[in-house]
Amino acid sequence: SQQGEEDPQALSIQEGENATMNCSYKTSINNLQWYRQNSGRGLVHLILIRSNEREKHSGRLRVTLDTSKKSSSLLITASRAADTASYFCAPHTGGFKTIFGAGTRLFVKA
Amino acid sequence: KAGVTQTPRYLIKTRGQQVTLSCSPISGHRSVSWYQQTPGQGLQFLFEYFSETQRNKGNFPGRFSGRQFSNSRSEMNVSTLELGDSALYLCASSLALGNEQFFGPGTRLTVL
Repeated sequence: SQQGEEDPQALSIQEGENATMNCSYKTSINNLQWYRQNSGRGLVHLILIRSNEREKHSGRLRVTLDTSKKSSSLLITASRAADTASYFCAPHTGGFKTIFGAGTRLFVKA
Repeated sequence: KAGVTQTPRYLIKTRGQQVTLSCSPISGHRSVSWYQQTPGQGLQFLFEYFSETQRNKGNFPGRFSGRQFSNSRSEMNVSTLELGDSALYLCASSLALGNEQFFGPGTRLTVL
C-alpha cells in the first residue's frame, strides 16, 4: 500500500496569506492527488498531478511534485476563511489501494 | 451529472445489530471505494470494487463486507456492530482504479 504523510499536522494563518502543505511518500507513483475536506463532510478532489509532471495549477492552487525526493507540496495563495479545512494527499501506484494520511488541518483567520 | 449519493445519511443502531449502507456512483464510473473516518483513526480504507470485483481490501475484520452490482452501485455491510464502529462512512467513485475519486456526503453511523 502507499500512504501519503502530510506536514504540518496543523496550520493557522491570516486571510490573504499563502498556505503551504507538504506530502511525502515512500515508493514510485503513477500520480498523486490532493483532496480537501470541510468539517464532517465528504472529501473534494482538488488536483491530480502525474508522475511525469513537475507543477500544476488550478485557480489559487499550485501543486509541485518532486519524484526524486518522493514529495509534493500544495500551495494555496491569497487564502480565504472558506479555505479552512483538512487537506489530504493521496499518492497512487497502479493497482494499489489509495491510503490517505492524517491530513493537514488548515485554519484561516478572518 | 449527479454526484455520488449515499443512503442513509444518518443511522443509529445498537450493539450486535447489523447495518447495510448504500452508494450510487456517478454515472459511468465503474470503481467504488469505501472509507471509514473516525476522530481517533482518521480516514481508513475499507475496500475498493471495480466491475463487480473486489480489487483491494483494507485491514478490517470480516464483519465488514461489501459488494458491487452490475450497475456499479455498491453496498457495504457491517455485522455484529460494536461501539467502535461509530464513524462516518464515505463512498467514492472514479472512472477507473487510480483516477481522481469523487466522494459522497457520507453516512454517519452511531452505535449505542
